[in-house]
Amino acid sequence: KQEVTQIPAALSVPEGENLVLNCSFTDSAIYNLQWFRQDPGKGLTSLLLIQSSQREQTSGRLNASLDKSSGRSTLYIAASQPGDSATYLCAVDGGSQGNLIFGKGTKLSVKP
Amino acid sequence: DAGVIQSPRHEVTEMGQEVTLRCKPISGHNSLFWYRQTMMRGLELLIYFNNNVPIDDSGMPEDRFSAKMPNASFSTLKIQPSEPRDSAVYFCASSQQRGGKDEQFFGPGTRLTVL
Repeated sequence: KQEVTQIPAALSVPEGENLVLNCSFTDSAIYNLQWFRQDPGKGLTSLLLIQSSQREQTSGRLNASLDKSSGRSTLYIAASQPGDSATYLCAVDGGSQGNLIFGKGTKLSVKP
Repeated sequence: DAGVIQSPRHEVTEMGQEVTLRCKPISGHNSLFWYRQTMMRGLELLIYFNNNVPIDDSGMPEDRFSAKMPNASFSTLKIQPSEPRDSAVYFCASSQQRGGKDEQFFGPGTRLTVL
C-alpha cells in the first residue's frame, strides 16, 4: 500500500530564504507526482506535476524534483516571501486512473 | 474557465439528516474525484468517475455515502443519514486524462458540520 510522508510537518523561515520541502513515498511504481498549495480554509492549488519519466519541473521560483528509485521528491522555493505561507501537499498517482495518495503536508510560514 | 465549482460552501446539519454536496467539473475534463479532508486522516479519495462512470468507490466509508454523475458537467455526493463523524471538508476535483499528465484541479471545498 502506497504511503506518502512529508517532512517537516511545519517550517518557519525568514523572508528571502531558499527552502526545501521533502516528500517520500514507499512504492516507486508511480504514474506521476503532484505538488499542491493549500491556503487556510481554501481548496488546493496545483503547483507542479512531474511525470514518472521526468526528473524535475520548474515554475517561477518553484522547482520540484523526482527520484523514483529512492522514492523521493523535493520542492525548492527560492527567495521565499510572506505570500508563500501556506500548507504544501505532495500527492502521488499510482496509475489507477487517478487515485492520488496525499501526504499530510508541510505548513510553511515565511516571516517578514 | 471558472474552475471546479462546488456547492454549498458550508453546510451545518443535524445528525440523521440527508446531506447532498454538488460539483461542476471543468468543462472538457473527463475524470471527476471526490475527496474528504480531516485533521486526523488528511486528504482521502472517496470515489472517482471516468466519462461519468464510477471507476473506484473503495474509499467510500459506508453505505450511507453515495455518489452520482448523471452527465459530464454535474456530480453529487450524498450522505444519508449523516453522523457527527462525517464532519470534514469535502473536495471535488477534475482532470483531463492524457497519458501521465493528468493534473487534477480542485474546487474550493464544502465544509460540512454534523451536529
